[in-house]
Amino acid sequence: DQQVKQNSPSLSVQEGRISILNCDYTNSMFDYFLWYKKYPAEGPTFLISISSIKDKNEDGRFTVFLNKSAKHLSLHIVPSQPGDSAVYFCAGGTSGSRLTFGEGTQLTVNP
Amino acid sequence: DVKVTQSSRYLVKRTGEKVFLECVQDMDHENMFWYRQDPGLGLRLIYFSYDVKMKEKGDIPEGYSVSREKKERFSLILESASTNQTSMYLCASSFRTLAAFTGELFFGEGSRLTVL
Repeated sequence: DQQVKQNSPSLSVQEGRISILNCDYTNSMFDYFLWYKKYPAEGPTFLISISSIKDKNEDGRFTVFLNKSAKHLSLHIVPSQPGDSAVYFCAGGTSGSRLTFGEGTQLTVNP
Repeated sequence: DVKVTQSSRYLVKRTGEKVFLECVQDMDHENMFWYRQDPGLGLRLIYFSYDVKMKEKGDIPEGYSVSREKKERFSLILESASTNQTSMYLCASSFRTLAAFTGELFFGEGSRLTVL
């Protein structure tokens, strides 16, 4: 049972444009969500999170939107930079419990 | 800075060998985790531990065991390696908090295991 799904394995955008990465979940008990970024040959690093009581969280160029009724979240990167090229994982969890990760989306930002 | 160190970046083993993957964290985190990353499957939890000598099965524990004798160290053991265990293995750690658990995990750089 894939509780967190990232349906787009890859995304390619031009430098300076917006990147939108999407994530769907099925577990209505999830009360927080996180995005991680992973470069090749490195471990994932935390990017941004959102609690289920919010519908938006912003940190610099990165904004995460949560639509609880649709069980959908998205990560917006504006403006996109070549250094943003990486695999992005979304994850959901319940407080005090473990995270469930999606399959990942490979973002490529072209100069 | 939190540091999670995995003992081997690259390993090549033969089918049937016993494999040890070691992970050490230096931030006094209670929680430690072992994941594997495979293309198209994302990060899947193998085992985790909330305390010394404590372990819990994750989503794909078959063929693996773990050991946590000290708080800072969490070992993943493949008793008899098989080719389908060829993967990237990632160790992670986090604090255990009672309130507002953010869930932020700190990952090691990964161990790429190839089983021939």
